[in-house]
Amino acid sequence: GENVEQHPSTLSVQEGDSAVIKCTYSDSASNYFPWYKQELGKRPQLIIDIRSNVGEKKDQRIAVTLNKTAKHFSLHITETQPEDSAVYFCAASTYGGATNKLIFGTGTLLAVQP
Amino acid sequence: NAGVTQTPKFRVLKTGQSMTLLCAQDMNHEYMYWYRQDPGMGLRLIHYSVGEGTTAKGEVPDGYNVSRLKKQNFLLGLESAAPSQTSVYFCASRDFYEQYFGPGTRLTVT
Repeated sequence: GENVEQHPSTLSVQEGDSAVIKCTYSDSASNYFPWYKQELGKRPQLIIDIRSNVGEKKDQRIAVTLNKTAKHFSLHITETQPEDSAVYFCAASTYGGATNKLIFGTGTLLAVQP
Repeated sequence: NAGVTQTPKFRVLKTGQSMTLLCAQDMNHEYMYWYRQDPGMGLRLIHYSVGEGTTAKGEVPDGYNVSRLKKQNFLLGLESAAPSQTSVYFCASRDFYEQYFGPGTRLTVT
């Protein structure tokens, strides 16, 4: 079945450094790739997403890249701040196709040290 | 606009008891989802619905049932709770792409 693998499971960086989280997916028909941020005790919230017709998308300090050939996509956070500390989840879906569901990675706990 | 709401926020059950979790959304979304979140395992899909009167199984459906009698509500039932069902349960609804999550229900089964 569909599978999304996410690495690393934990990531610690110094404030101001960059952070990169990587995901791979198994279903070549996947066409939508969101990233969610979940702060402790809160609900997941969408921070950025990318569709399969685009290779890269940027929103201020965060960016996502997609390599459809390799079935990889990555989240890049630049100039990290303590408030970026949270769990980040990647996901993949084939919206508009036979399925209507997101498959999530297992999450990355990002700690930004002041 | 309340978005997605969940009732209750917390619950403690004894093994073998039953309960229903309620999810409500006021965004007129067709699609609704129930997930469970366990440490180190991310969000796993239990059941979902693509419209009023429809339901479908997700990755981990065993021990749960669902109903979508009204478009705005999606109910998750546990018929006979087991300790393995101790988890945080999230409901979500979506427009064409983005999923919006509810605040979660923390369930403990002793």
